[in-house]
Amino acid sequence: SQQGEEDPQALSIQEGENATMNCSYKTSINNLQWYRQNSGRGLVHLILIRSNEREKHSGRLRVTLDTSKKSSSLLITASRAADTASYFCATDEAGGAQKLVFGQGTRLTINP
Amino acid sequence: ETGVTQTPRHLVMGMTNKKSLKCEQHLGHNAMYWYKQSAKKPLELMFVYNFKEQTENNSVPSRFSPECPNSSHLFLHLHTLQPEDSALYLCASSPGQGFVFWPQHFGDGTRLSIL
Repeated sequence: SQQGEEDPQALSIQEGENATMNCSYKTSINNLQWYRQNSGRGLVHLILIRSNEREKHSGRLRVTLDTSKKSSSLLITASRAADTASYFCATDEAGGAQKLVFGQGTRLTINP
Repeated sequence: ETGVTQTPRHLVMGMTNKKSLKCEQHLGHNAMYWYKQSAKKPLELMFVYNFKEQTENNSVPSRFSPECPNSSHLFLHLHTLQPEDSALYLCASSPGQGFVFWPQHFGDGTRLSIL
């Protein structure tokens, strides 16, 4: 069954603005991960947040995790044209078979 | 360069053909994965190998046959495919299925088109 669901499905903003994407999931998790996919390429890992963490930063990325609401958000600050890509959340279900379940992704477009 | 190389990048085949997709990782990882990515659908896990042993078959039709001869190489053998099998097939690797806090590393995929 689908675990992560991203919102919105598509987002278009101006360069320099901040972009926020949300992910909801259904079960208890070990961790939640965010990946980026450029057109025609594979997925690139961005950041991993453990179930006992609430916030994590990496450069211009900020990820939050609310396990009580089973939701996560990815914030990209000061967006650049190169940030144009699809962004996916993936969850590793607690007590499960240690396999990632991906959402459908958010298509982010940064307009110059 | 992600350390995971997939060949070919593009493949067009008829429904009666037999072909193979290849994945090679240079990261010293012990787990390898096949995913299918179709338009407007979430990434679907197909198979998982951990230390060369298959640990996951996600109800994949038998026309897809995986092979993992060693921890660095993974193949997906294709035969008698259907048009709905047209998709991007992604290979990934990770240190091992027991390493729950380590990410997966993906190749750039094989774009498969079934005529």
